[in-house]
Parts: sequence; C-alpha cells; structure tokens
Amino acid sequence: EPEVTQTPSHQVTQMGQEVILRCVPISNHLYFYWYRQILGQKVEFLVSFYNNEISEKSEIFDDQFSVERPDGSNFTLKIRSTKLEDSAMYFCASTGDGEPNEKLFFGSGTQLSVL
Amino acid sequence: SQQGEEDPQALSIQEGENATMNCSYKTSINNLQWYRQNSGRGLVHLILIRSNEREKHSGRLRVTLDTSKKSSSLLITASRAADTASYFCATVLRGKLIFGQGTELSVKP
Repeated sequence: EPEVTQTPSHQVTQMGQEVILRCVPISNHLYFYWYRQILGQKVEFLVSFYNNEISEKSEIFDDQFSVERPDGSNFTLKIRSTKLEDSAMYFCASTGDGEPNEKLFFGSGTQLSVL
Repeated sequence: SQQGEEDPQALSIQEGENATMNCSYKTSINNLQWYRQNSGRGLVHLILIRSNEREKHSGRLRVTLDTSKKSSSLLITASRAADTASYFCATVLRGKLIFGQGTELSVKP
C-alpha cells in the first residue's frame, strides 16, 4: 500500500538553527500538507500546497517557515531560525483522491526537538 | 473557539464493549471526517460522511451526522485492545482541514 514517507524521524537542533523536514508524498497525489502536534495537544494545521504554490496557511506559518516541492517527489518544510516553541511532531500529509482536504494520508512524523 | 470538539476527552472500556465518541462543530460543513492516531504515530483516515448523509458504516465503525445539531458520533462496536488510540473529528474551515482535540480511547483486554 502506498504511504507518505518522512525523514528524519527525529531531529535535534539548537535554537536559531535552520532545519529542513522532508517528505515524500504518495506519487499520484496533488495536494500536500504540513501539520504539527505539540506533545499532548491537538494536531494543528500549518500549510497546504497545490500546483506548486501555497493554498492556505495558518497564523503559525509565519516568515520563519517555508515549503518547497523541489522536484516531482519531495515536499519540504523549512524553519529558518528555530525557537524553543517549535519543538513538536511535524506531520506531512497528501491527498489526491478527488477533492482537497478529504481522506488525507499522513506520514509517521518528524519529532523536532529545539534545545 | 474550536471548530470540532470531541466528547468525552477520554474513554476507558473493556474489550468487547462498544465505544461512542461525539464531535460538535460550529459552522456549516460539506463533510466531516474521523481519523485515528496511535500513540506517537501519524493519523489514519477512518471514514468521511457528507452533509447529505445521516449515517455511514465501515466494518465495525458507524458514523452519524446531525447537521441540525452540528454534531457527529463515531461508534466502534465490539471493541478490541488494538482499537486503543486517539480519535479525532475533522472539518474544513476556511479552506483548511481542522482537527478537534480528540478522544483518547483505552480498551482493556
């Protein structure tokens, strides 16, 4: 069964450093997403991406965040200058089965720890 | 305010019992979705019910939707220890799929 792949599974970084979280969505999907989940809290929407541009973004997704689909398979989330409060599990998701925002397939996540 | 809020926040039952989780939302929707999350893992889509549907079944899952009350329920029948997970409802708000706080279900063998 096709799946969304995320790397690395864990990332430890120092405050102020840049991190890039990587995702390989399901190959024929068209809509891509990043969510995050701070430990013990709800899953929060960050950004959606379609046709090589951002469709929607949340207030969390400020100028420190960017997304890119550099080739036909990868989808990345970059945090330019990490803060302690960026520590969370980051999930990539994709869907392509018709409508956006329906039946999302999620990766297993990257646990980001900012020290 | 929350778009989707699940109730209860936590539920503990014995294997073989049924588990019912509820979700309330605030705005008009085209569909409502339920997802499961095992501890520390990604979310898995379970079922989608459209606004013109009142009930939908998938295996041991039964979902109802009452658009007049802006609420949905997820029923898991004959629960198993493997059903232990967090369950989230999700609706689209201003173009974004938003998840509720979730119900943490514990099924004891």
